[in-house]
Amino acid sequence: SYVLTQPPSVSVAPGKTARITCGGNNIGSKSVHWYQQKPGQAPVLVIYYDSDRPSGIPERFSGSNSGNTATLTISRVEAGDEADYYCQVWDSSSDHRWVFGGGTKLTVL
Amino acid sequence: EVQLVESGGGLVQPGGSLRLSCAASGFTVSSNYMSWVRQAPGKGLEWVSVIYSGGSTYYADSVKGRFTISRDNSKNTLYLQMNSLRAEDTAVYYCARVRAAMAPLDYWGQGTLVTVSS
Repeated sequence: SYVLTQPPSVSVAPGKTARITCGGNNIGSKSVHWYQQKPGQAPVLVIYYDSDRPSGIPERFSGSNSGNTATLTISRVEAGDEADYYCQVWDSSSDHRWVFGGGTKLTVL
Repeated sequence: EVQLVESGGGLVQPGGSLRLSCAASGFTVSSNYMSWVRQAPGKGLEWVSVIYSGGSTYYADSVKGRFTISRDNSKNTLYLQMNSLRAEDTAVYYCARVRAAMAPLDYWGQGTLVTVSS
């Protein structure tokens, strides 16, 4: 089955740029979606189809996807961005399953 | 406005059964793919099951043969019948809308907690 690998944690100072990676075999050929989850809340979609932003998501959130790595970039990080972030793809090769990365805890220092 | 409201969670003994419901509003369940995703305490997200608009269903290996996803078009509601429950099924269960296989899960419910314990 397809595996997505994320770093368990990323730390960044307020105002700086955070980059959260999501590794997978030839992930650049897949559509990657990113979700933000704050404690006690349901996940919220923040980036879809690699780099599109849903309405209401700040422009500070952006995404890219190439080769074996997809990246979620958060510019000018704010305290309110502290959350868990998950990448997700659909893997057609393994019985139509949806695959999530293990999640990355973003800490704003 | 799109809304998803889960219900039916609770405490159940190992080997028991539970049926979760997800009432949708603001869109038609049968015209979309609908999915269940779970999150064990302190853990990450795990995809559980999906029902396509055409009615095809798929399951994670961890629940195949024990869980059944279904929908009631007249009630615009999604269900997850969970049988032979195990301690490792303890989690918050979310329902989510996904418009197509490669599309994102764009709307999520608030989740319902299932605890499997004696």
